[in-house]
Amino acid sequence: DAKTTQPTSMDCAEGRAANLPCNHSTISGNEYVYWYRQIHSQGPQYIIHGLKNNETNEMASLIITEDRKSSTLILPHATLRDTAVYYCIAGRNTGKLIFGQGTTLQVKP
Amino acid sequence: DTAVSQTPKYLVTQMGNDKSIKCEQNLGHDTMYWYKQDSKKFLKIMFSYNNKELIINETVPNRFSPKSPDKAHLNLHINSLELGDSAVYFCASSRHRAGLAGGELVETQYFGPGTRLLVL
Repeated sequence: DAKTTQPTSMDCAEGRAANLPCNHSTISGNEYVYWYRQIHSQGPQYIIHGLKNNETNEMASLIITEDRKSSTLILPHATLRDTAVYYCIAGRNTGKLIFGQGTTLQVKP
Repeated sequence: DTAVSQTPKYLVTQMGNDKSIKCEQNLGHDTMYWYKQDSKKFLKIMFSYNNKELIINETVPNRFSPKSPDKAHLNLHINSLELGDSAVYFCASSRHRAGLAGGELVETQYFGPGTRLLVL
């Protein structure tokens, strides 16, 4: 599975868009990009995934660059409840999720 | 109703003891997983079962033995507990095994609340 690099931490103002970057420069053609988040003391929660195309769901948007070497998770209107550790995972569709250190997003009022 | 539940939530025990953690999902999913999150917050997969069949078995000491009595339950039994086993253990489930339909079907994993194990 491809290694991912994410900033250790980020801040975002409540109500503004949170843009979380992820670098996965060694990703191969059959590897997906998954995003999960973990709110303090809870289990991880699925957010979104993509292969080549940009994706949007009720929680977030995923923008994948054309060369697939990086992606950005966008939370369009961050709330205090979005404060969490966000994990970007790049890997084949095997069910074996490999979590890195993630980005701690702090949404501030 | 909690989709993926784990018992107990907290477990404090002595080194050398044997303990079990239970997981149940009421989502009708076929596949279940165990993950371990250590003190540095790294989350690693340990096992996965699909319809009671072991399909993922990472490099885990054989003191850890998963048991799936039916597809809604995946329990984790740990023998001869060691200090290094202290961690948060998460159970998860997904509707199907990943990679079905020619590898195109990506399965979302739903995680339980975790069991915090402390070995003294």
